[in-house]
This record gives sequence, C-alpha cells and structure tokens, in this order.
Amino acid sequence: DVKVTQSSRYLVKRTGEKVFLECVQDMDHENMFWYRQDPGLGLRLIYFSYDVKMKEKGDIPEGYSVSREKKERFSLILESASTNQTSMYLCASSPIGVDEQYFGPGTRLTVT
Amino acid sequence: AQKVTQAQTEISVVEKEDVTLDCVYETRDTTYYLFWYKQPPSGELVFLIRRNSFDEQNEISGRYSWNFQKSTSSFNFTITASQVVDSAVYFCALSEEDDYKLSFGAGTTVTVRA
Repeated sequence: DVKVTQSSRYLVKRTGEKVFLECVQDMDHENMFWYRQDPGLGLRLIYFSYDVKMKEKGDIPEGYSVSREKKERFSLILESASTNQTSMYLCASSPIGVDEQYFGPGTRLTVT
Repeated sequence: AQKVTQAQTEISVVEKEDVTLDCVYETRDTTYYLFWYKQPPSGELVFLIRRNSFDEQNEISGRYSWNFQKSTSSFNFTITASQVVDSAVYFCALSEEDDYKLSFGAGTTVTVRA
C-alpha cells in the first residue's frame, strides 16, 4: 500500500516564525504535491514537484516555498508564518504519468 | 475560474436513505479525468474513482454509483442505502490532459444519522 506520512498532525506556531512541514512517501513516486484545505474552498494547490530539485507553483504559492532534495521527501516552508496561513495542509504523491494522487493524513497548522 | 463546482455544501440524511452528490466541471480539453475522493473525520483523503472523458459508462461499486454525463458536464455520485460510516466530506476533482494537477471542488459534507 502507498503510504504518505506527514511530520505532524497538529502544529501551533507564532506569527513570524519559520515553519517546516515535512512529507514522506514510500512508493518511489515522482510527483509530490502540497495543498491547503479551507472550509468552502476545497483543496488548493500550493506547489508541486515532478522530480528531485524541481518545483512548480500551484494556484496559491504566495508566502510559501518548497524543497525537494530527495525523491521521497517534499517539504513545505512558511518563511514567516502569518495568521492567514492557519489551515489544514495536505501532502500527496503520484507516479509519473498517473494523475491519481495518494494523500497523507494532513497537518492542521494554527498560527497565533 | 472554478473548474469544479459542488453546489451542495452539506447534506444530512437518515441511515438507509440514498444520497446523491452533484459535481459539475468545466474544461476545454477533450481528454480529461474526473475523480471522487472521500475525506472521513480522520482527515486522509481516500480515492474512490477515476473516470476518463471517453468513458461515459456509469459505474457501480457496491453501494456507490457514478453517473457521468458529458452533455451536462456532470459527474454525480450516489450512495445507496447510506450508513453512518459514509459520513465524510466528499470531493470531486478534475485533471486535464497532460497535467498531473487536480482541481478540486469545494466539497460536500455528508452526515448520515442513525
């Protein structure tokens, strides 16, 4: 079974802090994605990566950056957390050529 | 522009009732893929179905069925004889040709009461 894990289920950070959200997949997938989920808005794509060291902006990249140094790991970075980044963050992965994505359990981030 | 619209925000039913979730999509591509995902209270999205644009045949899997109609750009999902375990948020999503990204609808929260 595909397994996507995220470093934390719940995280509380202060405004201005640098925040790292980690995602690891164990199925050798090429593609990895970061979404944020907000009520009434569904899932919105922040960034995605189709290979190591490659990244592309999604629909809402502002205020975020990403890092993919190893194939299995995709990190989302909030350089200076703000209260409007309080949200559920979901990581997903998929093999190349396949658009079905496998999701992690999510990290609920609260910025105070 | 929103590519996937799920007009129903919340649906509440009593156990054993049928429930239909609507999904309307928008794309200019002739080749595209439609998905449904379930998000139970635990939070992890679970893949339910993938359908390509060339296959309009309806599909049934146990108590779940899907009705794909290109003429109305709709991909509706029906749960027959609902159970409490069906309580979740359900998302419809679209993937366009040569694009690995998914565009999600806002989701429909289904509550099944015993």
